[in-house]
Amino acid sequence: LAKTTQPISMDSYEGQEVNITCSHNNIATNDYITWYQQFPSQGPRFIIQGYKTKVTNEVASLFIPADRKSSTLSLPRVSLSDTAVYYCLVGHNAGNMLTFGGGTRLMVKP
Amino acid sequence: EAGVAQSPRYKIIEKRQSVAFWCNPISGHATLYWYQQILGQGPKLLIQFQNNGVVDDSQLPKDRFSAERLKGVDSTLKIQPAKLEDSAVYLCASSDSAGGMGSNQPQHFGDGTRLSIL
Repeated sequence: LAKTTQPISMDSYEGQEVNITCSHNNIATNDYITWYQQFPSQGPRFIIQGYKTKVTNEVASLFIPADRKSSTLSLPRVSLSDTAVYYCLVGHNAGNMLTFGGGTRLMVKP
Repeated sequence: EAGVAQSPRYKIIEKRQSVAFWCNPISGHATLYWYQQILGQGPKLLIQFQNNGVVDDSQLPKDRFSAERLKGVDSTLKIQPAKLEDSAVYLCASSDSAGGMGSNQPQHFGDGTRLSIL
């Protein structure tokens, strides 16, 4: 069971790039790394997923070093609407227990 | 595509009463999950279904919680009897298992049912 460690909270300002790092030292060979965003009173929303190296989509980038023991979610030019809790999830959904950590509360200020 | 539907949105009951939550996953998604999210914490997986079979229910308090997905589509989660510590948001999610063993399809979440126990 891969456990994740993230900063509890982060502050940023509009227009800045935000990098949130997640540690997962005991990640298994067939585990993927997935990041979710959650706003109050809503369910988590998928942001990005990767297995190794770098993945980029229209909203974020995910950097994974060769040892896969950590990953970094990068949000370019954040806005106030990016204020949310961000969860790093490690695992795979073919019979493996999926564990959310405590998440990182990102506060974007004007 | 329509998202994961959950009902009710809110529920208030007294301790020792029973309550049931309903979830309709995204059409065609074979895998369905129920999570419990206590205020200020991340979601905790309670049970995972693959079609109508249970894949993982190791964190489900089976003395009071039960869940079923009889036809492999929608699902119900029941608590009987409820305790004060069950106050939480109950989230349902689904994923497409087309990738097979070892793959990881993103989960799509509903907005949950907020349960308050008095």
